[in-house]
Amino acid sequence: AQSVTQLGSHVSVSEGALVLLRCNYSSSVPPYLFWYVQYPNQGLQLLLKYTSAATLVKGINGFEAEFKKSETSFHLTKPSAHMSDAAEYFCAVSETGANSKLTFGKGITLSVRP
Amino acid sequence: DAGVIQSPRHEVTEMGQEVTLRCKPISGHNSLFWYRQTMMRGLELLIYFNNNVPIDDSGMPEDRFSAKMPNASFSTLKIQPSEPRDSAVYFCASRRTGGGAYEQYFGPGTRLTVT
Repeated sequence: AQSVTQLGSHVSVSEGALVLLRCNYSSSVPPYLFWYVQYPNQGLQLLLKYTSAATLVKGINGFEAEFKKSETSFHLTKPSAHMSDAAEYFCAVSETGANSKLTFGKGITLSVRP
Repeated sequence: DAGVIQSPRHEVTEMGQEVTLRCKPISGHNSLFWYRQTMMRGLELLIYFNNNVPIDDSGMPEDRFSAKMPNASFSTLKIQPSEPRDSAVYFCASRRTGGGAYEQYFGPGTRLTVT
């Protein structure tokens, strides 16, 4: 069985500061990993994904994540936060295979202070 | 290209009434997922289909919930009878299966309020 742990439910940073959102996963096979973002009153939007190619993955809006197998982690970072980054962020894991499904973490709310 | 389309966007109904939520997946996608999101329980997978066939409905809360996918371009989630605890945002998502990294594309959601 696969699972995702996102520690904490809320992160607050100042505008221009580093954003670091943590994600640890558990999977019995090499996984696919995803970060999604949800803005208020909207659906989830894919930020980036890891598919066993490069371990450092770049996504939209300046975000990137690094896959570390030894740490079973896939933390999301952005060098400089912008006010528009305020949203909820979900990490998800999927096994391969046609019938695979996404297992989501509980999500982290990011607040950006001016 | 149009994304995943859900209707209605908002639904307010009284307890005991039947509610039907609709979803049109992205053309060419052959997997479809129904999720429910609440503050208390977060994002829950209710059921998903591959090629119009239900694969896993273990997340469906109880017999009051049913889902169908009569063809590749349409799915419904029905709640009968509805209860106040069904109030939530219901998302539909679709993806292409058979190659690639299996990312799902989400619709805008239907906000259901049962009074």
